Order: sequence, then C-alpha cells, then structure tokens
Amino acid sequence: QKEVEQNSGPLSVPEGAIASLNCTYSDRGSQSFFWYRQYSGKSPELIMSIYSNGDKEDGRFTAQLNKASQYVSLLIRDSQPSDSATYLCAGGLFGNEKLTFGTGTRLTIIP
Amino acid sequence: NAGVTQTPKFQVLKTGQSMTLQCAQDMNHNSMYWYRQDPGMGLRLIYYSASEGTTDKGEVPNGYNVSRLNKREFSLRLESAAPSQTSVYFCASRTGGENEKLFFGSGTQLSVL
Repeated sequence: QKEVEQNSGPLSVPEGAIASLNCTYSDRGSQSFFWYRQYSGKSPELIMSIYSNGDKEDGRFTAQLNKASQYVSLLIRDSQPSDSATYLCAGGLFGNEKLTFGTGTRLTIIP
Repeated sequence: NAGVTQTPKFQVLKTGQSMTLQCAQDMNHNSMYWYRQDPGMGLRLIYYSASEGTTDKGEVPNGYNVSRLNKREFSLRLESAAPSQTSVYFCASRTGGENEKLFFGSGTQLSVL
C-alpha cells in the first residue's frame, strides 16, 4: 500500500468553479506536505507547501492539512482551463531527504 | 539561470546496453535526486544525494548506480538495461530550510527494447 494515496481521477470541473483535490497519508510522523502540478509531458512544479494544521492560501490556491485525520487537500478557486494538469501530493518528515509522492490526480477544467 | 539540466531528453536502448543520464544544477543546492515516473505509479525515488560525496538508496534502486561528481552534478547509470526500466526519469535538486522545494529537470524518456 502506497503511503500517500490520491484519487487518480480524472476529475472534471467547469470553468470558474472550485476544484477540490484530496490526499491521504499513512505515516503519522509526516510533517511536510506539498502539492506539485504537472502538465502533460512536463516536469512537476511546486504549487503549495503546508506544515501546520489548518489552511494556507496563495492566490487562487488553498491547501488544507488535518493531521488528526491524516489528509491534505488542495482547493483551486475560479478554476481556469490552464489549471488542467495532474496534481501530485507529496509528504515526508520536515528536512528529511525522502518525499513520498502519490500517484497524482488528473484535473480537467471544462470551458 | 538554467536551474536543473538533464540529458538526454530521449533515449532508446536495447536490453543489456548501458547508459548514463546526466544532471547538473546551478542553484548551489546540497540535495539532489533521481526519480522515475511510470503510469499509475507516481514518482518513485531511485537514489538521492544529501551532499557532495554521499549517496543513498531510495525506493527503487535495483539496476541503477549513481555518482555525485561534485556539488553541481549527479549522474544515474544503467549498467545493463532491462525493459522494466522503460520510464520517464527526472532529476531534481532541493532547497533546504523552511521553504523547501524540489526543482525538477525536464525529464528523460527512456525506452528499453
């Protein structure tokens, strides 16, 4: 069983709506969590990092962390067609060299 | 500022052939990584190097070797390629501290026939 689980999708969301991506993790010791976006045929790029319980907002993106329930989510407000990509969730110990990635959720924004 | 540069972008090998994937970063990062990405499997860590002169195994190291040539360069070698090593390979380097972040190279599409 993979330590970081994501629904592979595809997830389809109308343009302008809120896209909600979820991730669960099994290692209770994990402290650092990341959301990477990967366009088809390209390399992943970091969107958000979160270390503390609660919400963290950056523009249209909000990351949510609930350590008690062991889940991390990413909300994308006012979804745009350019948000269509695969979103990778990753978790690990703070400062630890090894990050564990989920398999990714493919998101499609429908114009 | 080029970031992370990896070569080649594409490679086709026959079973049993060897090759080295090259990676260099110009951001003065201590940590460097090699990942492979397969459909439905996500990114899996092959090897990493926390600093110049050190390397450690990741999740899927079998069939690979690495060399941290200096702080900038981290190469991945396939000594005897197998079809199971057909994948997309990404090199990455990482910032440290509070805003840790992985910077990825553009990837190498490797096919082993």
